[in-house]
Amino acid sequence: EVQLLESGGGLVQPGGSLRLSCEVSGFTFSRYAMRWVRQAPGKGLEWVSVISESDSSTNYVDSVKGRFTISRDNSKNMLYLQMNSLRAEDTAVYYCAKDRRYSDYGYYSDSWGQGTLVTVSS
Amino acid sequence: QSVLTQPPSVSGAPGQRVTISCTGSSSNIGATYDVHWYQQLPGTAPKLLIFVNNNRPSGVPDRFSGSKSGTSASLAITGLQAEDEADYYCQSYDSSLNGYVFGTGTKVTVL
Repeated sequence: EVQLLESGGGLVQPGGSLRLSCEVSGFTFSRYAMRWVRQAPGKGLEWVSVISESDSSTNYVDSVKGRFTISRDNSKNMLYLQMNSLRAEDTAVYYCAKDRRYSDYGYYSDSWGQGTLVTVSS
Repeated sequence: QSVLTQPPSVSGAPGQRVTISCTGSSSNIGATYDVHWYQQLPGTAPKLLIFVNNNRPSGVPDRFSGSKSGTSASLAITGLQAEDEADYYCQSYDSSLNGYVFGTGTKVTVL
């Protein structure tokens, strides 16, 4: 059974940092791209970042470029999101998701974690 | 703001058919990038509902179907059931943004 378990969320002051983790099991982690998606309270889904299977390629939504860094450790079956210079608008539930890639730009997420809440507030 | 526009809400009686539109542009759906659909039940994580325009993962009832034409895509739910009450999101790739985009989301209410 595929499982994804996020952790690391919490309350942080504006300008602060937080590192989210996603522990996966039930599939060969190194064979799949992974992504982070967030959802602000009462709002819709927003794609945040994606990382390729081998960690060789990453991409980010413009609003987090230069502040967030996605990474993975295939030996530990772990996905990470380092978030720096946090802003109030980064407040959201952050989901990690397992991606299926079928073409250069063809990705869809076939499994999701339960999410971890990040609150940026003073 | 999202570049994929969905109606905020749709509703129908049990057994009816409802459709949800996902309107994009020439830099996403119109550029032949595929559309995927997710269902988010209240208080839960999203779940893949339709992938690559019109394919259902195993376990998804055939009451759900997807289609794509031009710069838009649609999700249809036939034989609407109470457990279909949820938020639904389309997703594609946008070449202008060089990233993945979700639709604005549609809340389905079963009357």
